[in-house]
Amino acid sequence: EVQLVESGGGLVTPGRSLRLSCTASGFSFGDFALNWFRQAPGKGLEWVGFIRSKTHGGTTEYAASVKGRFSISRDDSKSIVYLQMNGLQTDDTAVYYCARAWGQVGAMVRGSDYWGQGTLVTVSS
Amino acid sequence: DIQMTQSPSSLSASVGDRVTIACQAGQDIRNFLSWFQQIPGKAPKLLIYDASNLETGVPSRFSGSGYGTHFTFTISSLQPEDIATYYCHQYGSLPHTFGQGTKLEIK
Repeated sequence: EVQLVESGGGLVTPGRSLRLSCTASGFSFGDFALNWFRQAPGKGLEWVGFIRSKTHGGTTEYAASVKGRFSISRDDSKSIVYLQMNGLQTDDTAVYYCARAWGQVGAMVRGSDYWGQGTLVTVSS
Repeated sequence: DIQMTQSPSSLSASVGDRVTIACQAGQDIRNFLSWFQQIPGKAPKLLIYDASNLETGVPSRFSGSGYGTHFTFTISSLQPEDIATYYCHQYGSLPHTFGQGTKLEIK
């Protein structure tokens, strides 16, 4: 059974950093790209970024709203993907989800099938 | 960025009704579109991928169609457990983007 479990969320003051983890199981982790999404309270879904599989370069892409502040990395030996969030702002407050991308075609990462349950990040003074 | 315009934003229907949600992309995304169902407090659940493919285990009353810029999502016979918010999601171009969601309620 495919499972993704996020951790690391919590309350943080503006300007500080936080690192989220997403631990995967039930599939060949290294073969898949991984996405991060977020959802602010009462709002819709927003794509944050993804990391390609090592086979496809292990490179990353980000939404403009987080580029330069957030970074995604992966440890295939542990089946974990990370979201490092620096310079957090109040509008980064959201539930953060990791999700498996079901396919990659060249540099293109396709949609997400399995999602974690999410972890809440609250940025407040 | 490709804007995804989803309509309606909310919808009230009766059990057994046919329900349709539309999603229009600001640019051609071919068939690189998914539909998700989200129940409050839960993670999104994939229902349809590549515009018209039913995800494994999803009931056949759910369907999707479209190509290019116009897409539709249909529930052929609404069931009480279908009460949720539905989102379209394009992954044909970076950044990946979502429609604003359609909140579905039982009349």
